[in-house]
This record gives sequence, structure tokens and C-alpha cells, in this order.
Amino acid sequence: DAGVTQSPTHLIKTRGQHVTLRCSPISGHKSVSWYQQVLGQGPQFIFQYYEKEERGRGNFPDRFSARQFPNYSSELNVNALLLGDSALYLCASSLVGGREQGEQFFGPGTRLTVL
Amino acid sequence: GENVEQHPSTLSVQEGDSAVIKCTYSDSASNYFPWYKQELGKRPQLIIDIRSNVGEKKDQRIAVTLNKTAKHFSLHITETQPEDSAVYFCAASSGYNKLIFGAGTRLAVHP
Repeated sequence: DAGVTQSPTHLIKTRGQHVTLRCSPISGHKSVSWYQQVLGQGPQFIFQYYEKEERGRGNFPDRFSARQFPNYSSELNVNALLLGDSALYLCASSLVGGREQGEQFFGPGTRLTVL
Repeated sequence: GENVEQHPSTLSVQEGDSAVIKCTYSDSASNYFPWYKQELGKRPQLIIDIRSNVGEKKDQRIAVTLNKTAKHFSLHITETQPEDSAVYFCAASSGYNKLIFGAGTRLAVHP
């Protein structure tokens, strides 16, 4: 049984460009959350999607957006990239996504480098 | 705002000793407290979690305690082994899968 998968594994972009990161949750999981992990720090919450609706948003600028598809996979989009956007972007999936907190299982992450 | 403080930032122990990592959270609505282990270059992996209606939970060499009044929770690892060496993160959540993470503790277990 496959775990959470993310693509691509690594990505190099230049300032001002746009990037799209992809995540496939564990089969049967309907919730996907996105986190940004800067080197040496804990993950920071960006978004949560459950049943294709945004249910939570962290303190990130509007350059960050996301969506969830009917098959529960998800995309994270970042526009007008800045050097400070360089980080490991983690996706986590969970069975539940409402007020009830479920176990979250993380994918391997996408390492984004902005030059 | 929501915040989780984690101490110590680094911890060095001898194999067989115990290790304790402590976290404090600010959001009184937090009701779920997971701990993740992250090895270098790998994804965070859930090692144990506790919900607000429980004061203590144990799984073999790992235990977690929660003091809701003081907003403290702690991870205890007994009989440490070299393979326990990693970065450990505590987190707190009040629902909707929004985890607020601590800054992490780098644990080194020396043979």
C-alpha cells in the first residue's frame, strides 16, 4: 500500500518564477495539508484541504495557493518566487479533516531552491 | 498567536540513558499532541500522539505525558539506542489538521 507521494522531489527556480507542487494522499484519505520546512526549523502550516474545500490557512502571503481534486490529490502553487521561499515543502494526508484531528502521514517532500 | 516552544534544541546522551524533551503550547483549544521523528533527508514520521482527554500514553520505550493546566507535554525515551538519533518535533493542534510545530530537538545517542 503506497504512502503519501509528492512530485517533483527537487526543483530549482529563479526569483519571480512560478512553481506547482503535487501531492497524492494515501488511498482513502480525504484530507491534505501542506507545510513549509525551512532548513533547521519545524514545519510551518500553509493550507489544509478536506473534501476538496479549503478548511485552514496559515500565515502565508496570497502568492501561495492550493487546490484539491476530485481524487483528493492536491497542488500547491507559489507565484512570484522569492529567495525566502527556498524550503522543503511537505504534504500530509489524513482520513479526517474536520474539527476532529486525525493522524497525519507525511510525504517525502519537494525540495525547492530559489536562485 | 498559536505557538509551541520546544526544549532543549540539542540533547546528547549515552546509549541506554533516558532522554526527555519538553514542549509548551499557547492555544488552550489544542486537543491533539503528536510527536514526529525526522531523520536527515527524510520525511517526519509519527512516533506517538496523545489527545487532551488522556494524561499519559506509553508505547514500548516511548512515553508522552500531558499537563493541560500548565499547557506542557513531554516525550520520554528510555533505554536509548543509536538508531534513536534524529530530530524530534512536538506539535499541537486544535483541529482541522492544522499542526503547530516546535522548533525541534536534535537528539544524539552515543554508543
